[in-house]
Amino acid sequence: DIQMTQSPSSVSASVGDRVTITCQASQGINGWLAWYQQKPGKAPKLLIYAASNLQGGVPSRFSGSGSGTDFTLTISSLQPEDFASYFCQQTNSFPLTFGGGTKVEVK
Amino acid sequence: QLQLQESGPGLVKPSETLPLTCTVSRGSISTTNYYWGWIRQPPGKGLEWIGSIYHSGSSYYNPTLKSRVTISVDTSKNQFSLRLNSVTAADTAVYHCTKSDQYYYMDVWGKGTTVTVSS
Repeated sequence: DIQMTQSPSSVSASVGDRVTITCQASQGINGWLAWYQQKPGKAPKLLIYAASNLQGGVPSRFSGSGSGTDFTLTISSLQPEDFASYFCQQTNSFPLTFGGGTKVEVK
Repeated sequence: QLQLQESGPGLVKPSETLPLTCTVSRGSISTTNYYWGWIRQPPGKGLEWIGSIYHSGSSYYNPTLKSRVTISVDTSKNQFSLRLNSVTAADTAVYHCTKSDQYYYMDVWGKGTTVTVSS
């Protein structure tokens, strides 16, 4: 199985801050990576697919990058509605696996 | 916009079988390159993929659950289902059904249903 390691597990930030979350795969995943946002009591929402492609309707302040085993989600200017948890997911091979999550909290 | 809705018991006894159904609305379960799946999230924890199925019946399961899981599709009802056998407290979680593209990016999620395993 491919293990997905996210860091940090939590980050405290203020509105307007630039926030970066990283995800490392235990082996190369050929860019088959998604990022999801989840708010308390809600279902996850797809933000980024194929490592760097913005899902329709997602604000352009979200961006994804990376290749091989190392990937990054960046929020360029944190907005109040962005305080949430974020998960990465690899779809390179079965079983599909997720990172442990990163909680973006109010500083 | 395609929508998904989970249904099933909120409480299941240990050793029994958990049956869940996902109803697809505003779209067809038989659409080419749409894949259907189940994800669960134990309280306060991360996301775990349970398995995925295509309308043809081809299915893939997480090896950690494979011996206890069956996912099936009913095209006549526009539904797909999950059956998890021999449940324990470790199966307590919110269960989401999902729709993916052919690359397994999950772009539509059901709101989720909370399942508690307890006697």
